[in-house]
Amino acid sequence: KAGVTQTPRYLIKTRGQQVTLSCSPISGHRSVSWYQQTPGQGLQFLFEYFSETQRNKGNFPGRFSGRQFSNSRSEMNVSTLELGDSALYLCASSRGQGWQETQYFGPGTRLLVL
Amino acid sequence: ELKVEQNPLFLSMQEGKNYTIYCNYSTTSDRLYWYRQDPGKSLESLFVLLSNGAVKQEGRLMASLDTKARLSTLHITAAVHDLSATYFCAVDGGGADGLTFGKGTHLIIQP
Repeated sequence: KAGVTQTPRYLIKTRGQQVTLSCSPISGHRSVSWYQQTPGQGLQFLFEYFSETQRNKGNFPGRFSGRQFSNSRSEMNVSTLELGDSALYLCASSRGQGWQETQYFGPGTRLLVL
Repeated sequence: ELKVEQNPLFLSMQEGKNYTIYCNYSTTSDRLYWYRQDPGKSLESLFVLLSNGAVKQEGRLMASLDTKARLSTLHITAAVHDLSATYFCAVDGGGADGLTFGKGTHLIIQP
C-alpha cells in the first residue's frame, strides 16, 4: 500500500512569492491534516480537511490556505512568503475525521524562504 | 489557550533502564496522541488515547491517559538504542484549533 506522498520535497522561494504544496493521502483515507515544524515554534497544526471540507484550522494568518479535492488529495498555499515561513511542512492522512484513528505522515516538504 | 508541557525535554539514559516521559496539559481533553520523530525524518504516530484511563502498549513503550489529572505518560521499559528519537505528545482541545503539541522530549539511549 503506497504511503502518503508530498511534493515537492524541497523548495526555495524568495520573500513575497507564493507557494503551493501538495499531499496525496493513502488510498481510502479521507482526512488530511497539515502541520508546520520549525526549530523555534516546534510543531504547529495548520488545518484538517475531511471530505473536501475544512474541519479545523490552527492559529495561522490568512496567508495560509488549503483545500481538498474529491479524490482526497490536498494542497496548501502560502501567499506573500515571509522569512519565518521557512519550515518543514508535514501532511498526514487518516481514514476518519478528527484524529480518532492513526495518522500516517508524509516525508514532508522543506521550504526555505530567502 | 491550551498549553501542553512535556518533561523532561532532554533525556539521556542507558540501555536496559526504565523511564517515563510526562505530558501535562492545561484544559479538559480526553484525546491525546504520542508521536516519534527520528532526526531529519517525518513523524510516526505511536499511540491514540481517546478516553480517561486509556492504556496502550507497543513493544517496550506504554502510554496512558489520566484526564482528571490532565496527564499522559509514555513509559519506556528496558530501553534499547533503537528507541533513541524525539517523542511528542499532542492534545485535541476540542475546539476548532486542532491539535496542540508539546515541545518534544529528545531521548538518547546509550549502549
